[in-house]
Amino acid sequence: QSALTQPASVSGSPGQSITISCTGTTTDVGSYNLVSWYQQHPGKAPKVLIYDDTKRPSGISYRFSGSKSGNTASLTISGLQAEDEADYYCCSYAGSATWVFGGGTSLTVL
Amino acid sequence: QVQLQESGPRLVKPSETLSLTCTVSGGSISSDYWSWVRQPPGKGLEWLGYIYSSGITNYSPSLRSRVTISEDTSKNQFSLKLNSVTAADTAVYYCARVLISGSPPWPSYFDYWGQGALVTVSS
Repeated sequence: QSALTQPASVSGSPGQSITISCTGTTTDVGSYNLVSWYQQHPGKAPKVLIYDDTKRPSGISYRFSGSKSGNTASLTISGLQAEDEADYYCCSYAGSATWVFGGGTSLTVL
Repeated sequence: QVQLQESGPRLVKPSETLSLTCTVSGGSISSDYWSWVRQPPGKGLEWLGYIYSSGITNYSPSLRSRVTISEDTSKNQFSLKLNSVTAADTAVYYCARVLISGSPPWPSYFDYWGQGALVTVSS
């Protein structure tokens, strides 16, 4: 069970859109509609943004959206804001009642 | 509103056992899935294991030989034990609830998290 692959860092200017990819395998991302995304600010616990590949929990801004194609899931943040600067992690159910996280992506808002 | 709070020793000696407890309020540990996740300093998140339904557990394959999760329903708490620790086990340890969603219903994502407990392994 290997960690899902995410880019180490991405950046964008306020108002722009960015996309973070999360690549897994046919045994995790590609097999289940159970990818979730988390935002983590320094010193804070992660906060869920997206679950079940594309769903947003109550209270999460429409600026956050999820998608998936094959073994790769993606998180798109539109209308970038300064407060979006944080680390982002994907997570997938990996079968046999286990979960696997991505390595994390650091987002810089320029 | 579900709240989780980790407690336990923050300094553990190499080769000894790391022990943490998560106290849950606003929810029942008897009716949901509850997990432990850790994060080494400056690194990513790692799922360690879960417990649900009166003691059913499962663990990360990479840690299965060293980790045990148990519960105390009378105190609405669940606990983590990690034995034979080394410096590589130094991390912030989070407890979290796993929410069931979808059709058919399936444990899906981590919706509530504790604030995290930094445990350092050092002599």
